[in-house]
Amino acid sequence: DAGVTQSPTHLIKTRGQQVTLRCSPKSGHDTVSWYQQALGQGPQFIFQYYEEEERQRGNFPDRFSGHQFPNYSSELNVNALLLGDSALYLCASSQYNEQFFGPGTRLTVL
Amino acid sequence: DQQVKQNSPSLSVQEGRISILNCDYTNSMFDYFLWYKKYPAEGPTFLISISSIKDKNEDGRFTVFLNKSAKHLSLHIVPSQPGDSAVYFCAASPYGGATNKLIFGTGTLLAVQP
Repeated sequence: DAGVTQSPTHLIKTRGQQVTLRCSPKSGHDTVSWYQQALGQGPQFIFQYYEEEERQRGNFPDRFSGHQFPNYSSELNVNALLLGDSALYLCASSQYNEQFFGPGTRLTVL
Repeated sequence: DQQVKQNSPSLSVQEGRISILNCDYTNSMFDYFLWYKKYPAEGPTFLISISSIKDKNEDGRFTVFLNKSAKHLSLHIVPSQPGDSAVYFCAASPYGGATNKLIFGTGTLLAVQP
């Protein structure tokens, strides 16, 4: 079992650009959540997808959007990047009573 | 508004001794709490959890204590090992269970000295 995988590992973008991050959940998991972890902070919940629908959303602007595919994999899209969007983006998949996290994508906005 | 707080950014402990990591929360509606461990370049790994109907949960060297009246929980690691050196995050679930939105603290860096 490969666990939760994320791509790419690292990414550098400039202000105003758009970015897409990808996540493949742990085998058998149908729910995917995205978190943003800024430097020195704990992960902050962005949103959660289940059955291809956004089920819960945290306090993030509409520039942050997502998608879940029929195979349960997911994408996080961020438009009009700001310097403050620089962070580690974590994907977590869940089933039953546990959330498993991927290694994250490190996004740097210059 | 930090609903889950870990007031100690770092903790250093000798190998074999007890490590105690603390966490406070402000929302009395939280009913499920978790501890995650994070090594550099890896995602957080689930360690142990506790439901609000309990005051203690044990798993091997790890024990979590919950004091609902004080809105405080702690993680005890006994005995501490060098491999336990990592950042530890406390998290709370506002909707029940561990599969929904989690609210994390800022983390405590534990260093276990050989």
